[in-house]
Amino acid sequence: DTGVSQDPRHKITKRGQNVTFRCDPISEHNRLYWYRQTLGQGPEFLTYFQNEAQLEKSRLLSNRFSAERPKGSFSTLEIQRTEQGDSAMYLCASSPNLGGIYFGEGSWLTVV
Amino acid sequence: ILNVEQSPQSLHVQEGDSTNFTCSFPSSNFYALHWYRWETAKSPEALFVMTLNGDEKKKGRISATLNTKEGYSYLYIKGSQPEDSATYLCAFIANDMRFGAGTRLTVKP
Repeated sequence: DTGVSQDPRHKITKRGQNVTFRCDPISEHNRLYWYRQTLGQGPEFLTYFQNEAQLEKSRLLSNRFSAERPKGSFSTLEIQRTEQGDSAMYLCASSPNLGGIYFGEGSWLTVV
Repeated sequence: ILNVEQSPQSLHVQEGDSTNFTCSFPSSNFYALHWYRWETAKSPEALFVMTLNGDEKKKGRISATLNTKEGYSYLYIKGSQPEDSATYLCAFIANDMRFGAGTRLTVKP
């Protein structure tokens, strides 16, 4: 499978715990994006990387959220001290410089 | 068709031209089709939510049609303007939400 893959696909966690999601983009795609989607809404932009550099970060991202892409390949999105409002699907996408955008299947987070 | 496919991948038109592009999707288990306008590092902007076979929706110079039996939707832009330059994404909703790779539109002044 050469698509964008995300892990885990589903995560249930207790409020206050930390969670980390991983995204493996399509090989050689230098742009990687993180989005959050809640039920019935379109995807909301969180952050994006050009290779290993984090170029943009949404105001939606509080300081409990951090994303990394250390070697310009896979990326991790960590949420610290989770709150119930963090429950959503976290979508990763990748694209080549001038090409289309390819979404992963998302990681569902439920905070109880 | 198991995935959502969009064509063409990119399109360059002159200001004032009308244009259209296609989203193809599986014709079974259809629930809804969404069209989004997307610019880099921004949240995709929802254009249309289409649910019924034969739906036609319009928003200013942009319109869309839906054929769920044959599994396609067309997006039309009449009299393209430079500010229409963006990537247009479709998303097929059945048991989950699957995005096409988008059509990148460039409108030259």
